[in-house]
Amino acid sequence: DARVTQTPRHKVTEMGQEVTMRCQPILGHNTVFWYRQTMMQGLELLAYFRNRAPLDDSGMPKDRFSAEMPDATLATLKIQPSEPRDSAVYFCASGLGTASYEQYFGPGTRLTVT
Amino acid sequence: GNSVTQMEGPVTLSEEAFLTINCTYTATGYPSLFWYVQYPGEGLQLLLKATKADDKGSNKGFEATYRKETTSFHLEKGSVQVSDSAVYFCALSPYNTNAGKSTFGDGTTLTVKP
Repeated sequence: DARVTQTPRHKVTEMGQEVTMRCQPILGHNTVFWYRQTMMQGLELLAYFRNRAPLDDSGMPKDRFSAEMPDATLATLKIQPSEPRDSAVYFCASGLGTASYEQYFGPGTRLTVT
Repeated sequence: GNSVTQMEGPVTLSEEAFLTINCTYTATGYPSLFWYVQYPGEGLQLLLKATKADDKGSNKGFEATYRKETTSFHLEKGSVQVSDSAVYFCALSPYNTNAGKSTFGDGTTLTVKP
């Protein structure tokens, strides 16, 4: 049963520290998404890759957030420096980018910035 | 642009009651439509989908029909169980250069009481 994996599952850090979250998409999927979920804002799309190329990162605060796909099996989301308002659950999702375009979500990384 | 409007929650039902969660959308062309479910502490999971007008998606007793004329994709279940308690998200994905980039509704929280 192929799944999207994310690490770490939980992260507590102090304001100003760098945070790196990792995602392994389902093998063979060519689209990868990063989302942020909070009670106040709901589910927000941060960045979107197809075939490892960034297609849309308009939802991401550019001054502190960066997203990359070093290879087809790894996507990273980095926050530097982190702030308390970044506290949220961050989800990675992957998809085939064809047919009906459904997405498969990972379990999320719960980030707390104190 | 594309948008999805969901019935506001929370929704509280007794076990074996009938469930309807309304979803309407705005999009050009013929997008794919989805319902995702999120259980506490987990990522979103695809519940069902429909890719063209009049298609009915179904899974685990849930159904939704793609209605082009009313731009709707309402979720229904004839008899809910306590285990159906979760947050339900309606979503669409367009057939254009942004294919695969889904637009999500705000989510509807369902609580089923024994």
